[in-house]
Amino acid sequence: ETGVTQSPTHLIKTRGQQVTLRCSSQSGHNTVSWYQQALGQGPQFIFQYYREEENGRGNFPPRFSGLQFPNYSSELNVNALELDDSALYLCASSLLPGGRRGYTFGSGTRLTVV
Amino acid sequence: DAKTTQPNSMESNEEEPVHLPCNHSTISGTDYIHWYRQLPSQGPEYVIHGLTSNVNNRMASLAIAEDRKSSTLILHRATLRDAAVYYCILRELYGGATNKLIFGTGTLLAVQP
Repeated sequence: ETGVTQSPTHLIKTRGQQVTLRCSSQSGHNTVSWYQQALGQGPQFIFQYYREEENGRGNFPPRFSGLQFPNYSSELNVNALELDDSALYLCASSLLPGGRRGYTFGSGTRLTVV
Repeated sequence: DAKTTQPNSMESNEEEPVHLPCNHSTISGTDYIHWYRQLPSQGPEYVIHGLTSNVNNRMASLAIAEDRKSSTLILHRATLRDAAVYYCILRELYGGATNKLIFGTGTLLAVQP
């Protein structure tokens, strides 16, 4: 079975720009979560999508938005980029929103905002 | 949010057992204890989880205190590939069916040959 794949692996953007990050869930998984990981810190929950609807959100402003598609792939969009948005963005999929069997994470997209 | 406390770092020798502790004194009755690890340049990897009873799988064992206020991840024979940041996480119920993982800063495990 394939794992979670994220693209691109690295990205450099300018402050004020917009960015879209992509995630393909593990086969059979219908729930996707996005996390932000700053250098030296643990990942922080951004939001989760289940059946194409947002199903929970962490403490992130509205300029962080997402989509989940019928094939369960997902996008994370960030508008009006700020320098503090520089981080590793991780996508995680699970069989159900509860993640009782664990979440499968991708290797992440490293975003640098200059 | 229920929090966990872990040592910042630990060292082990190859092929020796490793006990990684975690304190979670504010755990609620419905919180599962999850462990993930993150190897360099990779996303977190699920290791094991439990609720009340000790758990074993091919990767590790999880020992949970009777009062559930602490737990220990046990790697029975550490290898160099086990060098990673280990996160102890309480899987929290959030607004319906959503379960978010609340990561701390984890324990950086170094394994010496």
